[in-house]
Order: sequence, then structure tokens, then C-alpha cells
Amino acid sequence: KNEVEQSPQNLTAQEGEFITINCSYSVGISALHWLQQHPGGGIVSLFMLSSGKKKHGRLIATINIQEKHSSLHITASHPRDSAVYICAVSPRQGNLIFGKGTKLSVKP
Amino acid sequence: DVKVTQSSRYLVKRTGEKVFLECVQDMDHENMFWYRQDPGLGLRLIYFSYDVKMKEKGDIPEGYSVSREKKERFSLILESASTNQTSMYLCASSYGVGTGFYEQYFGPGTRLTVT
Repeated sequence: KNEVEQSPQNLTAQEGEFITINCSYSVGISALHWLQQHPGGGIVSLFMLSSGKKKHGRLIATINIQEKHSSLHITASHPRDSAVYICAVSPRQGNLIFGKGTKLSVKP
Repeated sequence: DVKVTQSSRYLVKRTGEKVFLECVQDMDHENMFWYRQDPGLGLRLIYFSYDVKMKEKGDIPEGYSVSREKKERFSLILESASTNQTSMYLCASSYGVGTGFYEQYFGPGTRLTVT
């Protein structure tokens, strides 16, 4: 069983829709990261959070430590949001553990 | 802004060649990492370094070695490239004493094809 599971694996949305990507993990963590990877490869860190909720523009990330679950929400989605979104956790010891990513495609 | 650069975006090498991938960061980060990314497998850690001349194996170090002679530069070496090393290689760097807690900054990636 993977230590970090993301769902869905693939997601297609119409422009303007509200999008949710989920991440569940099975290890104790000190932080959780959401990353974005556009076609072409470069990865950008969107959020690092250890409790509660963070917001940046149209992106919102939440985490529930007790339930070992995090969600990434995108409001008013746009074709430029099309990318792979990767959840990663910082375990209490050791290096980042990555999910396999969610490929999002937003159609105009 | 933190900048992490990688020496090549695309690279094509022949089986058996020695391959060098270089990564440079400009933020005086202690930690540097090399990952490979393959479809369906996600990001996997090859090696990391938490200080100059220090290195630690990640999850898939076989067939690779690394060098960190200066704080800003971390090189990944494929001693004898094989076709199963065809992949996207990503370098990252971060602050900190621990390697997991701090935000990692990624380079643009090198897509290596071994023929």
C-alpha cells in the first residue's frame, strides 16, 4: 500500500468549475506539501501546511491531521490550471514521500 | 526568488556512456536532492546531500553516484548509462537541518533518453 494516495488520478473539468483533489496518507507527518507540475516538467511548491487551511488566490489547501487527509481546492478553474498536482508529506523522520499525482485538464 | 538550474533540458546518450547531470542553486541551501520521475511511479529519490561533500542514498541509488564539492552545486553521475535510466531527472534544494520539513525548490528537469 502506498503511504500517500491521491484521488482522482485524472480529472477533466470545464472552465469555471470548482475542483477538489484529495490526498490521504498513512504515516505521522510534520507537514504536507502541494506541488504543481506543468507540461515541460518544472515543479512549483504551492503550499506547505501542518494544520488548518491556507489560501493563495483561487487555491485553497486544507489538512485534517487526525484523519490523515488533505484537500486542494481550485475555485473558478481556468485552462491555465491544467497541470499535474502532487501531494507530498514530510514524515517525522526521513525525506519527502510523494503521491503519484493528479492530472488535471480544464477545458475552455 | 530561489533559482535552481539544471545543465540541460534534454539529453540523448548512448548505452554505456558516462553521463553528468549538474544542478546549481543560488540560495545557499544546505540540502540538495536528485529525483527521477517516471509515468505511474511518481517522484523517487535517488540521492541527497545535506552538506558539502556529504551524501546519502535515497530509495533508488543503484547505477548512480553524486558529487557535491561546492555548496551550490550537486552533480548526478550515471557511470554507465542504460536504457532503463531513460527518465525525467529533477533536482531540488531546501534549507534546514532536517531534509523533510522544509519547502523544496525544484529545477526545470532534464529529460534523459538513453538509446
